[in-house]
Amino acid sequence: QSVLTQPPSASGTPGQRVTISCSGSSSNIGTNTVNWYQQVPGTAPKLLIYTNSQRPSGVPDRFSVSKSGTSASLAISGLQSEDEADYYCAAWDDSLNGWVFGGGTKLTVL
Amino acid sequence: QVQLQESGPGLVKPSQTLSLTCTVSGGSISSGGFYWSWIRQPAGKGLEWIGRIYTSVTTNYNPSLKSRVTISTDTSKNQFSLRLSSVTAADTAVYYCAREIRYGASRMDVWGQGTTVTVSS
Repeated sequence: QSVLTQPPSASGTPGQRVTISCSGSSSNIGTNTVNWYQQVPGTAPKLLIYTNSQRPSGVPDRFSVSKSGTSASLAISGLQSEDEADYYCAAWDDSLNGWVFGGGTKLTVL
Repeated sequence: QVQLQESGPGLVKPSQTLSLTCTVSGGSISSGGFYWSWIRQPAGKGLEWIGRIYTSVTTNYNPSLKSRVTISTDTSKNQFSLRLSSVTAADTAVYYCAREIRYGASRMDVWGQGTTVTVSS
């Protein structure tokens, strides 16, 4: 059972906007920033976006994030087939004194 | 560009100790500003943070694994290592090492490709 809660799956058609939620608590999302990772099956996770929609070099601005209270969301606009992957949220937990992850959301591009 | 590479036995017997090494290239493990972390992922499941090390002596461990985990560094080889004792089948997973930026918005920005460890007799 993951500390952060994500929906197990999400889907959309090319060009659509999709959002993936991540719910936590006051000791993690409520206090600290949230990072999002993208994982294509069979490969290592890749840092996708962090803090206030900060993106590593090469990540398109179609990806954005928001946060409210103890929840966060990842939004993908202009969905493309290459966006099909698993997405994980992560945050530092002050009570556990460690990183906690969501269970992951499998995004399918129909 | 910093790169990380995990190495170690792919098969470990139950009750034994799992030992993995992460070799860092393109940067020094001794440079300030980074934690060096281990994360694992059982097949078909999500990511689990194991722990991290900074300056060779400062460590943080996942409370659920803390009694069995040791993370250490070898600065002469630019490597950091994971030891997980008393393993069971539940420890079977892909193990990743990663670099975590300490300052500003903490995040794991560089990951190794991962290494699969199976616990079986």
